[in-house]
Amino acid sequence: DAGVTQSPTHLIKTRGQQVTLRCSPKSGHDTVSWYQQALGQGPQFIFQYYEEEERQRGNFPDRFSGHQFPNYSSELNVNALLLGDSALYLCASSPGLAKEFFGPGTRLTVL
Amino acid sequence: SQQGEEDPQALSIQEGENATMNCSYKTSINNLQWYRQNSGRGLVHLILIRSNEREKHSGRLRVTLDTSKKSSSLLITASRAADTASYFCATDLKLTFGEGTQLTVNP
Repeated sequence: DAGVTQSPTHLIKTRGQQVTLRCSPKSGHDTVSWYQQALGQGPQFIFQYYEEEERQRGNFPDRFSGHQFPNYSSELNVNALLLGDSALYLCASSPGLAKEFFGPGTRLTVL
Repeated sequence: SQQGEEDPQALSIQEGENATMNCSYKTSINNLQWYRQNSGRGLVHLILIRSNEREKHSGRLRVTLDTSKKSSSLLITASRAADTASYFCATDLKLTFGEGTQLTVNP
């Protein structure tokens, strides 16, 4: 059974561009959360998806949006990229509100 | 507002010693979880303790929870070089992890 997978592993974009990151949850998990982790910081909660709807949201601007598909996989979209969006983006899945399992992350660099 | 805040920021010990990290949080919780993160990689779930539990063990890990003080501690006994990582606590409210405790275990 594969754990949480994320793609791509690394990504380099320029300011103003848009990016889409993808996450496949662990088998049997229906809830997906996204986190942003800047260098040297702890992960910051972006939002959580359940049954294809955003259930909770952290303190992030509307430039950050997401989607969950019927197979529970999820996408994170970031529009109008800023230099400060450079970070490790972590996806985590769980069966409901139980403990989360994290993916390896996508390293986004904005130049 | 920050839910999990770890202390100390950094801890360096010798192999075989015990390592204790603390976590404080601000509001009521259903559970508290500890995670480990090796440099630049995904977080690995270590242990979950529910609000009605006071102590929990998993191998060399011991976690305590004091809901009256809104604090938790993670004890790693007989540490190994492979335990070198950042350790984070997080509550079930999924707001913000703290900056973590960077543990270095010297061989």
